[in-house]
Amino acid sequence: AQSVTQLGSHVSVSEGALVLLRCNYSSSVPPYLFWYVQYPNQGLQLLLKYTSAATLVKGINGFEAEFKKSETSFHLTKPSAHMSDAAEYFCAVSDRDDKIIFGKGTRLHILP
Amino acid sequence: GAVVSQHPSRVICKSGTSVKIECRSLDFQATTMFWYRQFPKQSLMLMATSNEGSKATYEQGVEKDKFLINHASLTLSTLTVTSAHPEDSSFYICSARDKRGSGYEQFFGPGTRLTVL
Repeated sequence: AQSVTQLGSHVSVSEGALVLLRCNYSSSVPPYLFWYVQYPNQGLQLLLKYTSAATLVKGINGFEAEFKKSETSFHLTKPSAHMSDAAEYFCAVSDRDDKIIFGKGTRLHILP
Repeated sequence: GAVVSQHPSRVICKSGTSVKIECRSLDFQATTMFWYRQFPKQSLMLMATSNEGSKATYEQGVEKDKFLINHASLTLSTLTVTSAHPEDSSFYICSARDKRGSGYEQFFGPGTRLTVL
């Protein structure tokens, strides 16, 4: 069975600083991996996805993630944080049976 | 494109009543829709997978007689919480997969906040 572990339930970074949200996955087959963002009382918005093409995936709002099979990781990064990036971020994995399994989420706080 | 709507966005009901939540794919056909629930400050938990024209597949521990799912068309799935109780209060989110298939991506609705008094 697949699973996702997000390290750090809360991450705080200063505005303009690097954002790094960590995600490790477990899957018995080559996975599809996703990062979603959720603003308060809203649904999920897809930031980016890995579907076995390029290992460095660029998404919306300046985010990107790198798939590292040897480390079973799919960390999310953004070079310079904006106040508007404050939200909950979910890493997710799918093993192609249509189900998406979500991590527990990381709350990103942006410090002025 | 790929917009999913949910109605209502918020609902408050008395204990013992039933509540229906609609999930619609507005600009694409969805052969598969998913229902999740999210407790405060927690992750999304898959409740069931809904396929158009067939019975929903429920995850372990989800009462199918309590959470009735109907997927009558390629653009509409409904979740009915029957005889709701305060412990059913949660944020319910649906998602839909494009019939054409796009890398197993699911498009999420904005969610429905259910409060049972």
